[in-house]
Amino acid sequence: EPEVTQTPSHQVTQMGQEVILRCVPISNHLYFYWYRQILGQKVEFLVSFYNNEISEKSEIFDDQFSVERPDGSNFTLKIRSTKLEDSAMYFCATARSSRTGEEKLFFGSGTQLSVL
Amino acid sequence: QKEVEQNSGPLSVPEGAIASLNCTYSDRGSQSFFWYRQYSGKSPELIMFIYSNGDKEDGRFTAQLNKASQYVSLLIRDSQPSDSATYLCAARGSARQLTFGSGTQLTVLP
Repeated sequence: EPEVTQTPSHQVTQMGQEVILRCVPISNHLYFYWYRQILGQKVEFLVSFYNNEISEKSEIFDDQFSVERPDGSNFTLKIRSTKLEDSAMYFCATARSSRTGEEKLFFGSGTQLSVL
Repeated sequence: QKEVEQNSGPLSVPEGAIASLNCTYSDRGSQSFFWYRQYSGKSPELIMFIYSNGDKEDGRFTAQLNKASQYVSLLIRDSQPSDSATYLCAARGSARQLTFGSGTQLTVLP
């Protein structure tokens, strides 16, 4: 069964450093998302991406965050200058259907980001 | 503020019993609803989605939606110890992103 692949599975970084989290979507999926989950808290939406541009973004997704699809396959989330509060599990999710309401979102296995 | 509320639990049921998980949502514009299962340290796994009032059955799982009451539920019949996990309710409105509840922790006792 096709799956969303995320790398790395764990990332440890120093505060202020840049990190790039990578995702390979399921091949025929068109909609891409980043969510995050701080330990013990809700899964929170960060950003959605369609047709090579951001569709929606949350208040969390400030100027320190950016997304791109550099080579038509990978989908990346960059955090320019990490803060302690960025420590979380980051999930990439992708979907195929274009009909809102019937769209099934499939999550990758996540990248656990630890900012020291 | 769009909110999805769930009882955090923990909810314990004996093996073979019916587990009932509930969820309410605040945004009347929400159009579709999803139940995900999340094992500790793992990613959410889609179990069911529903967008019409009434019941939707898939194997041992039944999702129920009542838009007038802004209420969604998930019933798990013949609960198994492998069903022990956190169950996340999520709602989608006109935008595509999902708003998640905090999850209900379910334990099925052998």
